[in-house]
Amino acid sequence: GESVGLHLPTLSVQEGDNSIINCAYSNSASDYFIWYKQESGKGPQFIIDIRSNMDKRQGQRVTVLLNKTVKHLSLQIAATQPGDSAVYFCAEILPNSGGGADGLTFGKGTHLIIQP
Amino acid sequence: DAGVTQSPTHLIKTRGQQVTLRCSPKSGHDTVSWYQQALGQGPQFIFQYYEEEERQRGNFPDRFSGHQFPNYSSELNVNALLLGDSALYLCASSLAFREETQYFGPGTRLLVL
Repeated sequence: GESVGLHLPTLSVQEGDNSIINCAYSNSASDYFIWYKQESGKGPQFIIDIRSNMDKRQGQRVTVLLNKTVKHLSLQIAATQPGDSAVYFCAEILPNSGGGADGLTFGKGTHLIIQP
Repeated sequence: DAGVTQSPTHLIKTRGQQVTLRCSPKSGHDTVSWYQQALGQGPQFIFQYYEEEERQRGNFPDRFSGHQFPNYSSELNVNALLLGDSALYLCASSLAFREETQYFGPGTRLLVL
């Protein structure tokens, strides 16, 4: 079954407000998480990542929070702009028993809509 | 610094045909992964290539095969196409076998009629 999922398929926010996109994962062994942004007709674009030994990481206007107790991941976007409109995916990587990296496991995505 | 490139951008095939998609990784990257993204879904991992060998594979049939060349570029081949193979095929590159951060190309949109 799918290990990574999202709470809401669509999120509508006012321009200038903060956005919070949530993600739940089921495998406690996952040790690396990435948020991607995908605009229509384009490939996923890397936003920010976090390892399981961290609970918070900040980038430019974005913050990722990881709560390992409840296996929850969130992406916070500050001062949302029209250019932030896209589908946002969280993805995880499970440790590979062979010592290598597995492919990313993606959730279905959240469509972020910015209201003027 | 060139990012991940893919060709062609769009492709139309009929059932039963075979298709080859191509990917050039980001400069300096040596690992290529392929994903299938159906409309409205997240990408699904097909397989990953490193040192010209398939290292990891997702839950895809043997109709899906690949190759990696000495210059790290890669091909994805799909035989005996089915209608359900219609999707966006994404290539992602990364550095070294254990480097998790993967950077994606724009994808190839495949339509099977």
